Amino acid sequence: EIVLTQSPGTLSLSPGERATLSCRASQSVTSIYLTWFQQKPGQAPRLLIYGASSRATGIPDRFSGSGSGTDFTLTISRLEPEDFAVYYCQHYGSSPGITFGQGTRLEVK
Amino acid sequence: QVQLQESGPGLVKPSETLSLTCTVSGGSISSYYWNWIRQPPGKGLEWIGYIFYSGSTNYNPSLRSRVTIAVDTSKNQFSLKLSSVTAADTAVYYCARFGGYYKYYYIDVWGKGTTVTVSS
Repeated sequence: EIVLTQSPGTLSLSPGERATLSCRASQSVTSIYLTWFQQKPGQAPRLLIYGASSRATGIPDRFSGSGSGTDFTLTISRLEPEDFAVYYCQHYGSSPGITFGQGTRLEVK
Repeated sequence: QVQLQESGPGLVKPSETLSLTCTVSGGSISSYYWNWIRQPPGKGLEWIGYIFYSGSTNYNPSLRSRVTIAVDTSKNQFSLKLSSVTAADTAVYYCARFGGYYKYYYIDVWGKGTTVTVSS
C-alpha cells in the first residue's frame, strides 16, 4: 500500500513569496497518476495539477508541479491572498485505489 | 458541465447504516469511476471507494467490511452504504468523478459535500 507523506504540515509565508510543498511516496509511483488539490474552508477540493505537472483548466500559471518516482513538488511562484489554503497530493494505483497525503496548510505569516 | 449533488440524512445513530446518494447532472454516468470520499472535522481526506459505471467496485481496505457502493445508471445516481457506524464516521462526505483523459487519471469533479453526524 502506498503512503503519501506531505511536508511541511504547515507553511507560513507572506503574499508575494514563493511556496514549495513536498509530497513523498513510500514507494515509486507512476507520475501520470499523481494529482494535487487545493481546499479552502467549507469548500470541496479543487483540482490544480494532474499527471504531476499538468495544470488543470483555469489554474493560474503561478502554480506548477514537478517530480517523479517518490518525490513530488507543488510550487506557487508568487503567493496571492487567495492561495492560502490546504493542499493535498493524491495518487491512483491498483491497490488500494486512491490515496491522499495528509495535507499541507499554507497560512499567512 | 457535470455537477454532483450528495443527499441523505445528516444524522445517523451509532450502530446503524449510513446511506447517501449522489446525483449526476449535466452529463452521463457512463465511462467514469464514481467515488465517495470523506473528511472528518478538522482532518484530511479519506477515500472510501469507487464504482465503475459498469458496476465493478474498489474499496478502501480499512472500510471494506462495512462499505457498499452501488450505481443506478437509469437514474444517473450512485450510492453509499456504510454499516455499523460510530462517532468516528462523523464527517463531510463527498462524491466525486474520477476519469481517464488520454493517459492521465484524476478526480476532476466534486460534489459540495454533505455533513453526516453519528450520534444518538
